[in-house]
Amino acid sequence: EIVLTQSPGTLSLSPGEGATLSCRASQSVSSSYLTWYQQKPGQAPRLLIYGASSRATGIPDRFSGSGSGTDFTLTISRLEPEDFAVYYCQQFGSSLQYTFGQGTKLEIK
Amino acid sequence: QVQLQESGPGLVKPSETLSLTCTVSGGSVSSGSYYWSWIRQPPGKGLEWIGYISYIGTTNYNPSLPSLKSRVTISLDTSRNQFSLKLSSVTAADTAVYYCARAIGSSWHFGFWGRGTLVTVSS
Repeated sequence: EIVLTQSPGTLSLSPGEGATLSCRASQSVSSSYLTWYQQKPGQAPRLLIYGASSRATGIPDRFSGSGSGTDFTLTISRLEPEDFAVYYCQQFGSSLQYTFGQGTKLEIK
Repeated sequence: QVQLQESGPGLVKPSETLSLTCTVSGGSVSSGSYYWSWIRQPPGKGLEWIGYISYIGTTNYNPSLPSLKSRVTISLDTSRNQFSLKLSSVTAADTAVYYCARAIGSSWHFGFWGRGTLVTVSS
Protein backbone atom coordinates (compact mmCIF):
# COMPACT_ATOMS: atom_id res chain seq x y z
CA GLU A 1 0.00 0.00 0.00
CA ILE A 2 1.29 3.43 -0.90
CA VAL A 3 1.06 5.85 2.02
CA LEU A 4 0.77 9.56 1.34
CA THR A 5 2.05 11.88 4.06
CA GLN A 6 1.05 15.52 3.87
CA SER A 7 2.87 18.34 5.60
CA PRO A 8 2.41 20.49 7.44
CA GLY A 9 -0.67 19.28 9.25
CA THR A 10 -1.80 22.85 9.73
CA LEU A 11 -0.58 25.95 7.95
CA SER A 12 -1.42 29.40 9.34
CA LEU A 13 -1.09 32.22 6.83
CA SER A 14 -2.63 35.57 5.99
CA PRO A 15 -4.55 36.50 2.85
CA GLY A 16 -2.18 37.63 0.14
CA GLU A 17 0.61 35.33 1.28
CA GLY A 18 1.77 32.28 -0.64
CA ALA A 19 1.25 28.72 0.53
CA THR A 20 3.25 25.57 -0.15
CA LEU A 21 1.72 22.22 0.74
CA SER A 22 3.65 18.99 0.51
CA CYS A 23 2.59 15.44 -0.27
CA ARG A 24 5.18 12.70 0.09
CA ALA A 25 4.58 9.13 -1.04
CA SER A 26 6.07 6.02 0.58
CA GLN A 27 7.04 4.80 -2.90
CA SER A 28 7.09 6.25 -6.36
CA VAL A 29 3.74 7.40 -7.72
CA SER A 30 2.82 8.04 -11.32
CA SER A 31 2.46 11.76 -11.84
CA SER A 32 -0.47 11.02 -14.12
CA TYR A 33 -2.46 9.81 -11.15
CA LEU A 34 -1.58 12.31 -8.43
CA THR A 35 -4.49 14.56 -7.56
CA TRP A 36 -5.21 17.43 -5.17
CA TYR A 37 -8.61 18.31 -3.67
CA GLN A 38 -9.90 21.19 -1.60
CA GLN A 39 -12.54 20.61 1.05
CA LYS A 40 -14.45 23.27 2.94
CA PRO A 41 -16.51 22.52 6.06
CA GLY A 42 -19.74 20.74 5.29
CA GLN A 43 -18.87 20.31 1.63
CA ALA A 44 -17.66 17.52 -0.58
CA PRO A 45 -14.07 17.65 -1.78
CA ARG A 46 -13.53 19.69 -4.93
CA LEU A 47 -11.07 18.68 -7.63
CA LEU A 48 -8.21 21.18 -7.92
CA ILE A 49 -5.26 19.58 -9.66
CA TYR A 50 -4.98 16.29 -11.54
CA GLY A 51 -2.04 14.67 -13.25
CA ALA A 52 0.13 16.41 -10.61
CA SER A 53 0.04 19.74 -12.44
CA SER A 54 -3.14 20.19 -14.51
CA ARG A 55 -5.73 22.56 -13.12
CA ALA A 56 -9.31 21.37 -13.16
CA THR A 57 -11.95 23.40 -14.94
CA GLY A 58 -12.67 26.69 -13.23
CA ILE A 59 -9.70 26.55 -10.85
CA PRO A 60 -7.87 29.91 -10.62
CA ASP A 61 -4.33 30.06 -11.86
CA ARG A 62 -3.03 30.98 -8.41
CA PHE A 63 -3.25 27.22 -7.76
CA SER A 64 -0.44 25.14 -9.21
CA GLY A 65 0.85 21.64 -8.73
CA SER A 66 4.26 20.16 -9.28
CA GLY A 67 6.42 17.19 -8.45
CA SER A 68 7.25 13.69 -9.46
CA GLY A 69 8.24 10.35 -8.01
CA THR A 70 7.62 10.58 -4.29
CA ASP A 71 7.43 14.34 -3.74
CA PHE A 72 4.57 16.54 -4.85
CA THR A 73 3.65 20.11 -4.04
CA LEU A 74 0.54 22.25 -4.20
CA THR A 75 1.31 25.95 -4.36
CA ILE A 76 -1.18 28.77 -3.88
CA SER A 77 0.46 31.96 -4.98
CA ARG A 78 -1.67 34.66 -3.34
CA LEU A 79 -4.14 33.44 -0.77
CA GLU A 80 -7.70 34.63 -1.07
CA PRO A 81 -10.13 34.35 1.87
CA GLU A 82 -11.98 31.52 0.11
CA ASP A 83 -8.78 29.42 -0.11
CA PHE A 84 -8.73 28.62 3.59
CA ALA A 85 -9.79 25.00 3.72
CA VAL A 86 -8.41 21.48 4.04
CA TYR A 87 -6.37 20.13 1.14
CA TYR A 88 -5.92 16.45 0.34
CA CYS A 89 -3.59 14.71 -2.06
CA GLN A 90 -4.63 11.38 -3.53
CA GLN A 91 -2.99 8.79 -5.73
CA PHE A 92 -4.19 5.90 -7.85
CA GLY A 93 -1.68 3.12 -8.16
CA SER A 94 -0.78 0.17 -10.31
CA SER A 95 -2.64 -2.07 -7.89
CA LEU A 96 -5.80 -0.20 -8.89
CA GLN A 97 -6.16 1.26 -5.42
CA TYR A 98 -6.75 4.80 -4.25
CA THR A 99 -5.10 6.33 -1.22
CA PHE A 100 -5.52 9.78 0.28
CA GLY A 101 -3.15 11.82 2.36
CA GLN A 102 -4.32 12.81 5.82
CA GLY A 103 -4.87 16.42 4.74
CA THR A 104 -3.38 19.85 5.40
CA LYS A 105 -5.55 22.45 7.06
CA LEU A 106 -4.89 25.92 5.74
CA GLU A 107 -6.12 28.41 8.32
CA ILE A 108 -6.20 32.17 8.57
CA LYS A 109 -3.46 33.59 10.75
CA GLN B 1 -23.16 18.37 -16.14
CA VAL B 2 -23.07 15.13 -14.19
CA GLN B 3 -24.66 15.21 -10.76
CA LEU B 4 -24.52 12.56 -8.06
CA GLN B 5 -26.86 12.34 -5.07
CA GLU B 6 -26.54 9.96 -2.14
CA SER B 7 -29.61 8.69 -0.36
CA GLY B 8 -30.34 6.28 2.48
CA PRO B 9 -30.97 6.08 6.20
CA GLY B 10 -29.08 8.50 8.39
CA LEU B 11 -29.20 6.18 11.39
CA VAL B 12 -28.30 2.50 11.44
CA LYS B 13 -28.23 0.21 14.46
CA PRO B 14 -25.05 -1.69 15.36
CA SER B 15 -24.75 -5.11 13.67
CA GLU B 16 -27.24 -4.11 10.97
CA THR B 17 -26.54 -3.36 7.30
CA LEU B 18 -25.90 0.14 6.02
CA SER B 19 -27.44 0.66 2.58
CA LEU B 20 -26.86 3.74 0.45
CA THR B 21 -27.73 4.59 -3.12
CA CYS B 22 -26.12 7.10 -5.44
CA THR B 23 -28.39 8.43 -8.18
CA VAL B 24 -26.60 9.78 -11.23
CA SER B 25 -28.07 12.43 -13.49
CA GLY B 26 -26.61 14.03 -16.59
CA GLY B 27 -24.83 10.87 -17.60
CA SER B 28 -25.17 7.12 -17.71
CA VAL B 29 -23.61 4.75 -15.17
CA SER B 30 -23.03 2.30 -17.99
CA SER B 31 -21.13 4.75 -20.21
CA GLY B 32 -17.67 3.66 -21.18
CA SER B 33 -14.65 4.11 -18.93
CA TYR B 34 -16.41 5.49 -15.88
CA TYR B 35 -15.75 4.12 -12.42
CA TRP B 36 -18.15 4.79 -9.58
CA SER B 37 -16.72 4.97 -6.10
CA TRP B 38 -17.81 5.21 -2.50
CA ILE B 39 -15.62 7.25 -0.17
CA ARG B 40 -16.24 7.96 3.48
CA GLN B 41 -15.06 10.50 6.02
CA PRO B 42 -15.44 9.86 9.76
CA PRO B 43 -16.31 13.01 11.70
CA GLY B 44 -13.30 15.30 11.92
CA LYS B 45 -11.08 12.88 9.99
CA GLY B 46 -9.75 12.35 6.50
CA LEU B 47 -11.04 10.64 3.39
CA GLU B 48 -11.14 6.87 3.04
CA TRP B 49 -11.77 5.16 -0.30
CA ILE B 50 -14.10 2.18 0.12
CA GLY B 51 -14.24 0.79 -3.40
CA TYR B 52 -15.54 1.23 -6.91
CA ILE B 53 -17.70 -0.44 -9.50
CA SER B 54 -16.99 -0.02 -13.19
CA TYR B 55 -19.41 0.81 -15.94
CA ILE B 56 -19.52 -2.92 -16.77
CA GLY B 57 -20.01 -4.02 -13.17
CA THR B 58 -16.55 -5.10 -12.09
CA THR B 59 -15.74 -4.20 -8.51
CA ASN B 60 -12.60 -3.32 -6.60
CA TYR B 61 -12.55 -2.83 -2.85
CA ASN B 62 -9.91 -1.27 -0.65
CA PRO B 63 -7.66 -4.11 0.57
CA SER B 64 -6.03 -1.82 3.11
CA LEU B 65 -9.23 -1.88 5.09
CA PRO B 66 -9.57 -5.66 5.71
CA SER B 67 -12.26 -5.19 8.30
CA LEU B 68 -14.24 -3.25 5.72
CA LYS B 69 -13.52 -5.28 2.59
CA SER B 70 -15.20 -8.42 3.92
CA ARG B 71 -18.39 -6.48 4.70
CA VAL B 72 -18.75 -4.32 1.56
CA THR B 73 -20.77 -4.85 -1.58
CA ILE B 74 -21.06 -2.26 -4.34
CA SER B 75 -23.58 -2.86 -7.09
CA LEU B 76 -24.83 -1.17 -10.25
CA ASP B 77 -28.45 -0.65 -11.33
CA THR B 78 -28.35 0.53 -14.92
CA SER B 79 -32.14 0.64 -15.24
CA ARG B 80 -32.33 3.28 -12.52
CA ASN B 81 -28.96 4.88 -13.32
CA GLN B 82 -27.79 4.22 -9.78
CA PHE B 83 -25.09 2.41 -7.89
CA SER B 84 -25.28 1.25 -4.31
CA LEU B 85 -23.24 0.49 -1.23
CA LYS B 86 -24.04 -2.16 1.32
CA LEU B 87 -21.95 -2.45 4.46
CA SER B 88 -22.89 -5.26 6.81
CA SER B 89 -22.37 -5.73 10.54
CA VAL B 90 -21.78 -2.05 11.18
CA THR B 91 -20.27 -0.64 14.35
CA ALA B 92 -19.82 2.87 15.67
CA ALA B 93 -16.53 3.01 13.74
CA ASP B 94 -18.56 3.07 10.52
CA THR B 95 -20.13 6.39 11.46
CA ALA B 96 -19.10 8.79 8.71
CA VAL B 97 -20.15 11.02 5.88
CA TYR B 98 -20.42 8.78 2.84
CA TYR B 99 -19.71 10.24 -0.58
CA CYS B 100 -20.25 8.80 -4.01
CA ALA B 101 -17.93 9.98 -6.76
CA ARG B 102 -17.05 9.39 -10.41
CA ALA B 103 -13.68 8.84 -12.01
CA ILE B 104 -12.71 8.35 -15.63
CA GLY B 105 -10.55 5.34 -16.28
CA SER B 106 -7.97 7.28 -18.24
CA SER B 107 -7.09 9.68 -15.46
CA TRP B 108 -8.62 8.14 -12.34
CA HIS B 109 -9.25 11.35 -10.43
CA PHE B 110 -12.66 12.05 -8.89
CA GLY B 111 -14.10 14.81 -11.04
CA PHE B 112 -17.62 14.65 -9.71
CA TRP B 113 -18.82 14.08 -6.17
CA GLY B 114 -22.13 13.83 -4.42
CA ARG B 115 -22.79 16.16 -1.50
CA GLY B 116 -22.36 13.35 0.98
CA THR B 117 -24.69 11.85 3.52
CA LEU B 118 -24.01 11.37 7.22
CA VAL B 119 -24.66 7.88 8.51
CA THR B 120 -24.60 7.41 12.26
CA VAL B 121 -24.35 3.96 13.77
CA SER B 122 -26.06 3.96 17.12
CA SER B 123 -28.67 2.02 19.00
